[in-house]
Amino acid sequence: GAVVSQHPSWVICKSGTSVKIECRSLDFQATTMFWYRQFPKQSLMLMATSNEGSKATYEQGVEKDKFLINHASLTLSTLTVTSAHPEDSSFYICSAPGPRWEQYFGPGTRLTVT
Amino acid sequence: DQQVKQNSPSLSVQEGRISILNCDYTNSMFDYFLWYKKYPAEGPTFLISISSIKDKNEDGRFTVFLNKSAKHLSLHIVPSQPGDSAVYFCAASVAGFQKLVFGTGTRLLVSP
Repeated sequence: GAVVSQHPSWVICKSGTSVKIECRSLDFQATTMFWYRQFPKQSLMLMATSNEGSKATYEQGVEKDKFLINHASLTLSTLTVTSAHPEDSSFYICSAPGPRWEQYFGPGTRLTVT
Repeated sequence: DQQVKQNSPSLSVQEGRISILNCDYTNSMFDYFLWYKKYPAEGPTFLISISSIKDKNEDGRFTVFLNKSAKHLSLHIVPSQPGDSAVYFCAASVAGFQKLVFGTGTRLLVSP
């Protein structure tokens, strides 16, 4: 099946700094990618839809200026958490759609803000 | 507003028996449903899906049933194996839109 990678898998940063998370589709092209966030023991919540060559579409309640998304190529989308705070600590997962309606998910990035 | 719900946070089953995971949804616009398996600190892995034009889809040990009138779907795993122990999420989408709405997850534990 299709493979989606994320980098880094785990990152610790200090409050006030910015962190960039990369999502790559390794063996297929993805004009659209999705970014999710998961808090412990909770469901995956869609944050935004990343569109290659255009602006991302954010879900209600997600701050655009805080979670910057760039989809610069057909295989790469990045999520930058700007001015991170402890409440941004979470598990961030990206996905890319397959040929049917299934999504292929990356392994996730655990962000800890101290 | 939780549009996709999994009311059982956990389920324990013995190896070899059937595991039945349930999922309810409220949005009648949903017409494609998927089940994912997730281990801690990993991304979800796609298991099986079903379109609203069907009421059953089978793939090996996994079968998904859809009851549109009740807005309910279920995942059956037969026979259950210890390796099936994980958190299972159901998800739903509207045709033409690739966004998925996830349920809250059910932790399945299959004991030897």
